[in-house]
Amino acid sequence: DIQMTQSPSSLSASVGDRVTITCRASQSISSYLNWYQQKPGKAPKLLIYAASSLQRGVPSRFSGSGSGTDFTLTISSLQPEDFATYYCQQSNSSPGYTFGQGTKLEIK
Amino acid sequence: QVQLQESGPGLVKPSETLSLTCTVSGYSISSGYFWGWIRQPPGKGLEWIGSIYHSGSTYYNPSLKSRVTISVDTSKNQFSLKLSSVTAADTAVYYCAREDVGTASFDYWGRGALVTVSS
Repeated sequence: DIQMTQSPSSLSASVGDRVTITCRASQSISSYLNWYQQKPGKAPKLLIYAASSLQRGVPSRFSGSGSGTDFTLTISSLQPEDFATYYCQQSNSSPGYTFGQGTKLEIK
Repeated sequence: QVQLQESGPGLVKPSETLSLTCTVSGYSISSGYFWGWIRQPPGKGLEWIGSIYHSGSTYYNPSLKSRVTISVDTSKNQFSLKLSSVTAADTAVYYCAREDVGTASFDYWGRGALVTVSS
């Protein structure tokens, strides 16, 4: 199985901050990496697919980069609605998609 | 607008079979895409269970494969999950979602159904 490790596990930040979350794969997954945002009691929402493509309707302050084993999700200027938990998901290994453990983004 | 809705019992006894159905509206399952199940134990992260194509082709998480069956009913625009021999560790919110064929990203999700395994 491909293991996905996110860092940090939690993060405190203020509105307007630039925030970066990283995701590392245990082996190369090319660009088969997706990012999701989840708010309490809600289903995850797709933000970024194929490492760097912005899902339709997602604000442009969200961006993704990386390939191989190391990936990042960046929020350029945090908004109040961005405080949530973020998950990466590798989609290279089929069968066997795996998610990172999540990064909880909290208000400082 | 694509919408998915999970339905099924919210309480299942240990050793029995968990059964859930996902009803899709706003898009015909027969038109393409894979259709998947993902679960999330309370307070924990996400785990992919398996996916199915409209043709009936399936692929499952190897760690659950021996207990999982996913099927599709295109006439009802539904797909279903069966998980056998459940234990308390299978207690989770179960989501159904649409999976993009090329990127294997899940772009539309149901609201989720909490299933508790308890006697």
